[in-house]
Amino acid sequence: AQSVTQLGSHVSVSEGALVLLRCNYSSSVPPYLFWYVQYPNQGLQLLLKYTSAATLVKGINGFEAEFKKSETSFHLTKPSAHMSDAAEYFCAVSEYGNNRLAFGKGNQVVVIP
Amino acid sequence: NAGVTQTPKFQVLKTGQSMTLQCAQDMNHEYMSWYRQDPGMGLRLIHYSVGAGITDQGEVPNGYNVSRSTTEDFPLRLLSAAPSQTSVYFCASSSPTEAYEQYFGPGTRLTVT
Repeated sequence: AQSVTQLGSHVSVSEGALVLLRCNYSSSVPPYLFWYVQYPNQGLQLLLKYTSAATLVKGINGFEAEFKKSETSFHLTKPSAHMSDAAEYFCAVSEYGNNRLAFGKGNQVVVIP
Repeated sequence: NAGVTQTPKFQVLKTGQSMTLQCAQDMNHEYMSWYRQDPGMGLRLIHYSVGAGITDQGEVPNGYNVSRSTTEDFPLRLLSAAPSQTSVYFCASSSPTEAYEQYFGPGTRLTVT
């Protein structure tokens, strides 16, 4: 079964600094990979997804992620953090042809002015 | 399109009571899922459905029932509520034509006392 590891439950970043959230996955077949963002008291919103096309995926709000098969990773980055980026971020994986989505435990991002 | 809707938004139950969480989608998606979100645990899959009349268990199905009589609706039933079921519940829908990207509802916050 597929699984996701996200390290560091809380991540602090200074405003204007690089945001880097790490995601490693386990899957026995080619995966679909997703990053979702959750603002306080809201549902989950898709940031970006990888579906076996380009390995560098650009998403909303200036975020991007790179699929690296050799490292089984799908790290999320944003060059310059903004106060509005304070939220919880979840990496998720599903296997090709499989609706079942496995989530990581999430990263709570705090942006320091 | 309303997307995925959930009712109620908040609910308090006493131990042993039963209730149904409602979920509906208007995107004609084949797949629908229920997740629960607990602090530090990410989202865990409770039950899912690949079409009307077809349901299956996810990672944490005990204490919950589902049915899918129409494409649009996917209610989640708590048979006899327990304090361990205090959580935030999210419904999601997806389609293989969109690489199983899951669209989430706003959530139901359930407290069992």
